[in-house]
Amino acid sequence: QKEVEQDPGPLSVPEGAIVSLNCTYSNSAFQYFMWYRQYSRKGPELLMYTYSSGNKEDGRFTAQVDKSSKYISLFIRDSQPSDSATYLCAMNRGSQGNLIFGKGTKLSVKP
Amino acid sequence: DVKVTQSSRYLVKRTGEKVFLECVQDMDHENMFWYRQDPGLGLRLIYFSYDVKMKEKGDIPEGYSVSREKKERFSLILESASTNQTSMYLCASSTPGGPINYGYTFGSGTRLTVV
Repeated sequence: QKEVEQDPGPLSVPEGAIVSLNCTYSNSAFQYFMWYRQYSRKGPELLMYTYSSGNKEDGRFTAQVDKSSKYISLFIRDSQPSDSATYLCAMNRGSQGNLIFGKGTKLSVKP
Repeated sequence: DVKVTQSSRYLVKRTGEKVFLECVQDMDHENMFWYRQDPGLGLRLIYFSYDVKMKEKGDIPEGYSVSREKKERFSLILESASTNQTSMYLCASSTPGGPINYGYTFGSGTRLTVV
């Protein structure tokens, strides 16, 4: 079983839709969970991070972590064409900041 | 406002050449990382460094080496380039420990083609 699994998509939604992006993981030692957004021909940028289980909200974005199920989600409300990008989940593998990434889900929001 | 700079955006090299990819950060970060990104495989860690002159192997170090002589600079070296090293290479930096410090700052990437 891979350490981190993420459906690569692609995912296409109409503008204004609610988007749900998900990752599963196998290592119960992971404590920090992050979502990165990567626009075409750019490096990834940190979107949100969560420590342990629970929810975190930032504007139209909500990150959820369920450690009991080893499952994390990113919800995007009122999606916009500018949200079109690849979204990568990431988790820490060590105390010094060594991250493991999911393969990324490519999202397209159509006007 | 550029914080992590990768020296080349696109690079074409011949099989067998020694290739240097340079990365410089201006945020005084201790940690620096090299990843490669391939379709269907995602981001894979090649090497990382927690301090000057220190280096650690990542998940796929074979065929690569690194150099960190100064805190702000982390170089990836392809000893003898091969076609299977054609990829997008991404450099990142971060400060150690704590939740916010897992927020890597990435460069824009170097797309390397080995012919």
